[in-house]
Amino acid sequence: GAVVSQHPSWVICKSGTSVKIECRSLDFQATTMFWYRQFPKQSLMLMATSNEGSKATYEQGVEKDKFLINHASLTLSTLTVTSAHPEDSSFYICSARDGIGGTQYFGPGTRLTVL
Amino acid sequence: AQSVAQPEDQVNVAEGNPLTVKCTYSVSGNPYLFWYVQYPNRGLQFLLKYITGDNLVKGSYGFEAEFNKSQTSFHLKKPSALVSDSALYFCAVSLSGGYQKVTFGTGTKLQVIP
Repeated sequence: GAVVSQHPSWVICKSGTSVKIECRSLDFQATTMFWYRQFPKQSLMLMATSNEGSKATYEQGVEKDKFLINHASLTLSTLTVTSAHPEDSSFYICSARDGIGGTQYFGPGTRLTVL
Repeated sequence: AQSVAQPEDQVNVAEGNPLTVKCTYSVSGNPYLFWYVQYPNRGLQFLLKYITGDNLVKGSYGFEAEFNKSQTSFHLKKPSALVSDSALYFCAVSLSGGYQKVTFGTGTKLQVIP
């Protein structure tokens, strides 16, 4: 099946710093990628939809200036958490959608801890 | 608006017994339906999907799901549960077509007891 990688798998940072998370589709081209946030024992919360070559579409309540998304190529999308605070600590998961049947393939997730 | 309901937060089943994880959906049109599994501290793994055709869909690791249009359900099943099947399972729905928004259920934790 399609493979999506995510890097880093975990990161610990100080409050006020910025963190970049990369999401790559390894064996297919993804015009659309998604960024989710998952809190413990909860479902996925869609943060934004990332389209290659255009601005991301953010869900209601998600600060676009805080969560910067760049989808520079058909295989790479990045999420940058700017000026991170402890409340941004979470599990961030990306997915890439294939154009056939709309299946989303997920990365392994990134555990962000902000001290 | 489309929605997915997974009525059980947790399902417990003895190893070797059949398992069912329930999912019902609501969408204004023909649905695409998906099941994913998530192991602790990992992303979601795709199990199976229904797009069209045969109502019984077979997927990875021996799982299958049956699309029931009249009951708007897409329950996940496996004839014989393994301890290694213990994980969090998510059902998802979108309108038909490859570019529609996908809505996920809240997840059901499956616990297979040795």
